[in-house]
Amino acid sequence: DIQMTQSPSTLSASVGDRVTITCRASQSISSWLAWYQQKPGKAPKLLIYEASTLETGVPSRFSGSGSGTEFTLTISSLQPDDFATYYCQQCDTYPWTFGQGTKVEIK
Amino acid sequence: EVQLVESGGRLVKPGGSLRLSCTASGFTFSSYSMNWVRQAPGKGLEWVSSISSSSSYIYYADSVKGRFTISRDNAKNSLYLQMNSLRAEDTALYYCARGPDGSRYMDVWGQGTTVTVSS
Repeated sequence: DIQMTQSPSTLSASVGDRVTITCRASQSISSWLAWYQQKPGKAPKLLIYEASTLETGVPSRFSGSGSGTEFTLTISSLQPDDFATYYCQQCDTYPWTFGQGTKVEIK
Repeated sequence: EVQLVESGGRLVKPGGSLRLSCTASGFTFSSYSMNWVRQAPGKGLEWVSSISSSSSYIYYADSVKGRFTISRDNAKNSLYLQMNSLRAEDTALYYCARGPDGSRYMDVWGQGTTVTVSS
């Protein structure tokens, strides 16, 4: 199975900060990577698919990049609504696998 | 409005069985792949199973293979997960999620149904 490793596990930041989350795959997954945001008690929400394509309706402050084994999710200017947990997910090969999550907290 | 509503979760004893359902509305169900994803209390997301739009392709996580069966009824806009030989480690919130057919992501999620396996 392909292992997905996110870093950091927890991130403390302030409103307005630029935030970057990294996701590494244990083998190449081309660009078959998605990013999701999850708030407490809510279902995950798709932010980005195919590594860099922004889902319709997602604010442009979110962006994704990378290919192969290393990927990043960037929030250009953190907003109060962005404090949440973020997961990467590889969809190159079954079984699909998620990273362990990155919790973005208020500093 | 595009919507997925899960049901069927409850408390069940180890070794027991349960069938989860997911009812879709607001989109052409038969044109989409469907998935089950679970989240144990306080833990991360775990993909469980996927089924293509015509049920031609089905995949399972190793942790549930041989115990869980995914199926769908396109005439009823419904997705199912038959869960047998349940274990304590199957305790989780189970989400159904839509995936555009031929795509490799999940763009619409339900709110989940809770399965608790305990004696």
